[in-house]
Amino acid sequence: AQSVTQPDIHITVSEGASLELRCNYSYGATPYLFWYVQSPGQGLQLLLKYFSGDTLVQGIKGFEAEFKRSQSSFNLRKPSVHWSDAAEYFCAVGATGGGNKLTFGTGTQLKVEL
Amino acid sequence: SQTIHQWPATLVQPVGSPLSLECTVEGTSNPNLYWYRQAAGRGLQLLFYSVGIGQISSEVPQNLSASRPQDRQFILSSKKLLLSDSGFYLCAWSRPLPGQGTDTQYFGPGTRLTVL
Repeated sequence: AQSVTQPDIHITVSEGASLELRCNYSYGATPYLFWYVQSPGQGLQLLLKYFSGDTLVQGIKGFEAEFKRSQSSFNLRKPSVHWSDAAEYFCAVGATGGGNKLTFGTGTQLKVEL
Repeated sequence: SQTIHQWPATLVQPVGSPLSLECTVEGTSNPNLYWYRQAAGRGLQLLFYSVGIGQISSEVPQNLSASRPQDRQFILSSKKLLLSDSGFYLCAWSRPLPGQGTDTQYFGPGTRLTVL
């Protein structure tokens, strides 16, 4: 069965600093990968997704992610973090078994210091 | 454009009381629909999903049930709430996909349920 690991539960960065959030997946075939962001008390918003093609994917709010098959990773990056980026970030992989199910990681809570 | 609604936004219920949470989607037809529960620090747990009216798949045995009485309406219910049912409940939709396809899920604003 597929799985997603986000090894960092909490990350703190200074405003203006670069950011990288880690995501590792386990999946037998070519994965469909997603990054979502959740502000406190809100639903999840899609940042970006990878289905095929160029392994560097651009998303909203200045985020990008790179798919590395050899490392089973799909890390999220942003060159300069803004205070409004403070939120929880979830990585997800498309699951097998039909129904368009997704398997989510446990999330990384990002804190931005001013 | 598509819109997903959930209500109520917050709910406080006593143990043993019934539950009904509603989710509706606008602007699309025959969507796949999903119910997730999010407990603090534990990510998202898929509870139920539906690929059509009256078609419900349960992912985790529990105290909850789901129904889809109309194409774009998805309801989460319980006859008797437990303390462990507290959490943040999220509804999501995706476009219908055949077979093993994968596509984006779009989430509603969520319902915060507290069982006392």
